[in-house]
Amino acid sequence: ETGVTQSPTHLIKTRGQQVTLRCSSQSGHNTVSWYQQALGQGPQFIFQYYREEENGRGNFPPRFSGLQFPNYSSELNVNALELDDSALYLCASRGTGTGDSGNTIYFGEGSWLTVV
Amino acid sequence: GENVEQHPSTLSVQEGDSAVIKCTYSDSASNYFPWYKQELGKRPQLIIDIRSNVGEKKDQRIAVTLNKTAKHFSLHITETQPEDSAVYFCAASQSGGSNYKLTFGKGTLLTVNP
Repeated sequence: ETGVTQSPTHLIKTRGQQVTLRCSSQSGHNTVSWYQQALGQGPQFIFQYYREEENGRGNFPPRFSGLQFPNYSSELNVNALELDDSALYLCASRGTGTGDSGNTIYFGEGSWLTVV
Repeated sequence: GENVEQHPSTLSVQEGDSAVIKCTYSDSASNYFPWYKQELGKRPQLIIDIRSNVGEKKDQRIAVTLNKTAKHFSLHITETQPEDSAVYFCAASQSGGSNYKLTFGKGTLLTVNP
């Protein structure tokens, strides 16, 4: 168990619509990042939040946006959905503590998004 | 930015044999190298990781080696079992401060034949 939970697990949206995906991390996990994994590919970094502020972004357009809340939950919002946005969206949280355990990154189960 | 290459893309072995997956990275500032196992329809699961201050790490049948000079690292699985069949991803990161972005390889589909 990673302590990272995501919702919903599966959803279908129509092209042009907007979607919000949610993630809940363990208390104290103040770094959360989101990844997009297309079928047959490795996860691609979307962005990262640290203490409720975005502090790193991958090669994704502005229609991908996010929020992180004080209760260690976060959201990924995607506007104007395109067919190519169909993928598994993974939330990742950094473990707390010092030394090795403080740098380990754990993934949630993911949200499967299908855009039709 | 960082670029991670992973080989082979597919690997088929007989049960009991060893499997080796290799990755190279481009950014000499990367200092954290995890390996994830992903079964069909599931999330990536961390199986082992290594930091740039060590050259090798073992955990039962799994080991990872790191060559910082050559900028490559490898996953070794000994005595493979059918349940080891999955897609394996390597990743690299400059961990530290508040930055924990992972750059992944494209994955290796490992099939262990009984």
